[in-house]
Amino acid sequence: DAGITQSPRYKITETGRQVTLMCHQTWSHSYMFWYRQDLGHGLRLIYYSAAADITDKGEVPDGYVVSRSKTENFPLTLESATRSQTSVYFCASSDSYNSPLHFGNGTRLTVT
Amino acid sequence: GESVGLHLPTLSVQEGDNSIINCAYSNSASDYFIWYKQESGKGPQFIIDIRSNMDKRQGQRVTVLLNKTVKHLSLQIAATQPGDSAVYFCAEKKGAGTALIFGKGTTLSVSS
Repeated sequence: DAGITQSPRYKITETGRQVTLMCHQTWSHSYMFWYRQDLGHGLRLIYYSAAADITDKGEVPDGYVVSRSKTENFPLTLESATRSQTSVYFCASSDSYNSPLHFGNGTRLTVT
Repeated sequence: GESVGLHLPTLSVQEGDNSIINCAYSNSASDYFIWYKQESGKGPQFIIDIRSNMDKRQGQRVTVLLNKTVKHLSLQIAATQPGDSAVYFCAEKKGAGTALIFGKGTTLSVSS
């Protein structure tokens, strides 16, 4: 089925470890986004990408790295996880900049 | 600072009633607005959008109203059903080349 899938669904990691969250979409959308969702803050943009090999920082990019070597994939890496990065992470895509975003079902990350 | 916010964090209604969820925005340059619904354990789901050259748009059982004079956005849900129980977010885009900014959400509870 076409759509946007995130993996893993749940992840527990230790402080200081590197962890990568995966995002794959089958719509060939140009734009992809990573948001984190925390109580009291709503959804905050981490990074986004307008096309393969083009990425830009969002509101809260510190501590995160992204890449976009292929249109369909947009992995998010926490280089050295911290407890403050415990959150639910959502990936989204859209076919143009003024189109609705379509979200995956999220990855719940816990950093111990 | 500039932000998208919602007037009420929670709203409780009876099944069959009409629901109105409100959102205020502060940037008069915002030109695109979206309402999302998020159920527990899932990603946000697109409901309806509206561009700044419109003041009303209707979907199936939902209507979005945009009042640019007072920078106010509302989502009206007709004949609210228990399945409408969720968190509702408004989001704004502040012009070309920018990403969606989300408000903090309103939890809608529908009792039968």
